[in-house]
Amino acid sequence: GENVEQHPSTLSVQEGDSAVIKCTYSDSASNYFPWYKQELGKRPQLIIDIRSNVGEKKDQRIAVTLNKTAKHFSLHITETQPEDSAVYFCAATGGSQGNLIFGKGTKLSVKP
Amino acid sequence: GAVVSQHPSWVICKSGTSVKIECRSLDFQATTMFWYRQFPKQSLMLMATSNEGSKATYEQGVEKDKFLINHASLTLSTLTVTSAHPEDSSFYICSEVGGFYGYTFGSGTRLTVV
Repeated sequence: GENVEQHPSTLSVQEGDSAVIKCTYSDSASNYFPWYKQELGKRPQLIIDIRSNVGEKKDQRIAVTLNKTAKHFSLHITETQPEDSAVYFCAATGGSQGNLIFGKGTKLSVKP
Repeated sequence: GAVVSQHPSWVICKSGTSVKIECRSLDFQATTMFWYRQFPKQSLMLMATSNEGSKATYEQGVEKDKFLINHASLTLSTLTVTSAHPEDSSFYICSEVGGFYGYTFGSGTRLTVV
């Protein structure tokens, strides 16, 4: 079945710097790759997603890139702000029930 | 976008009692609902998949007699934690899939068993 690896587990950056989180997946049939931001005690919030027929997608300060050959995708946050501090999860389709498989998460801390 | 209403948002119960969590699809007929569990500082792990009108499918290691799932209608799926124990304390969250909006999550239920 699908396996999603996420790195790093923690990331600390200065306000205004860029942050990059990387994920790899194992199932070449996976075709949808969302990224979620989760604040303590709240539901995961979709921040950006990408489908397998696209290599890159951008939404203001957030971008995602996908390399299907290498089976990895990355989240890029530019001009980070303290309110970007949260846990970020990558995910991929490929679960046996059509469910998402999540990475273990990255705790991002943006220091003012 | 699609909305999934999950209740309760938090519950504290005594060990040995049962707790029911409801997820209601407000604007989409969800034939499939995923139930995830998230322990503190961990990722979301799929517990089971409920399908309207049929038996739920449970992931390996999840006791189907302990976590009862009912999906009697296209808009309502429920998870009942029976004979809850402190180790069942966790964040439970449902997710529907389908349509343009992809995967939509409920707001989650924080269960604390004392």
